[in-house]
Amino acid sequence: GAVVSQHPSWVICKSGTSVKIECRSLDFQATTMFWYRQFPKQSLMLMATSNEGSKATYEQGVEKDKFLINHASLTLSTLTVTSAHPEDSSFYICSARTPAGLEAFFGQGTRLTVV
Amino acid sequence: GQNIDQPTEMTATEGAIVQINCTYQTSGFNGLFWYQQHAGEAPTFLSYNVLDGLEEKGRFSSFLSRSKGYSYLLLKELQMKDSASYLCAVMDSNYQLIWGAGTKLIIKP
Repeated sequence: GAVVSQHPSWVICKSGTSVKIECRSLDFQATTMFWYRQFPKQSLMLMATSNEGSKATYEQGVEKDKFLINHASLTLSTLTVTSAHPEDSSFYICSARTPAGLEAFFGQGTRLTVV
Repeated sequence: GQNIDQPTEMTATEGAIVQINCTYQTSGFNGLFWYQQHAGEAPTFLSYNVLDGLEEKGRFSSFLSRSKGYSYLLLKELQMKDSASYLCAVMDSNYQLIWGAGTKLIIKP
C-alpha cells in the first residue's frame, strides 16, 4: 500500500512556542491531505483538509490562526501549532488518499506534549 | 446529523471469535471502512465494504447491510496481538470520512 510518513513521532515543547509537524506521501502524489487530532480514549477528530496549492479547509471550532496548514507540494503538508498551550497536548495524525483510491493511509502520528 | 455508533469496549478470550458492530446514519454513502488502532499508534486499514454482503480476509471478515445502516467486523481465532481499538468509518456523499469513537477490544488468555 501507499506510504505516508509523519515527523516527528513525538515532541515536547514549552508553552507559548510553536511546533511544526510534517506529513509526506512517499510513493504517491497527494492533492489532498487530512489532519486529525485524537485525545485519549476518543475518536479521530478531523481538524482540517489540506489542499495542494490552496488554502486549507478547517472544521468548525478549529482556529485557523493557531493551527497553520501549508500544502506547498503534492507530497508534503505541514501543520504548525502556534503559541502552544498545555490543552493542545494531543495525538496529531495526518492521512492522505491516493488519487485513484478511497482508502486513507495514515502517518505514524505525532504525540505533542506542551509543558 | 451524521452519526456512527459502536460499542465502547468488548472483552474476548484468546482463540475465540468476536463480532464488533457498527451502525451509521450519514449524508450519503460511499463505503464503510474498518481500521485497527493499537495504543499510541496511527490507524491501519483492515477492510472496505461498499456493497452488501460479507468480505473475508484471513481471520478478519466484514459485513455490510446498507438498507439497515449496519456493519460488523468479525475476528476469528483471536490472538493477544488483536488487542486494540477498532474504528468504523463511513465515507459520506462528499467523500469525507465520518469516524466512530472506536471499540476497545481486550483479549484475555
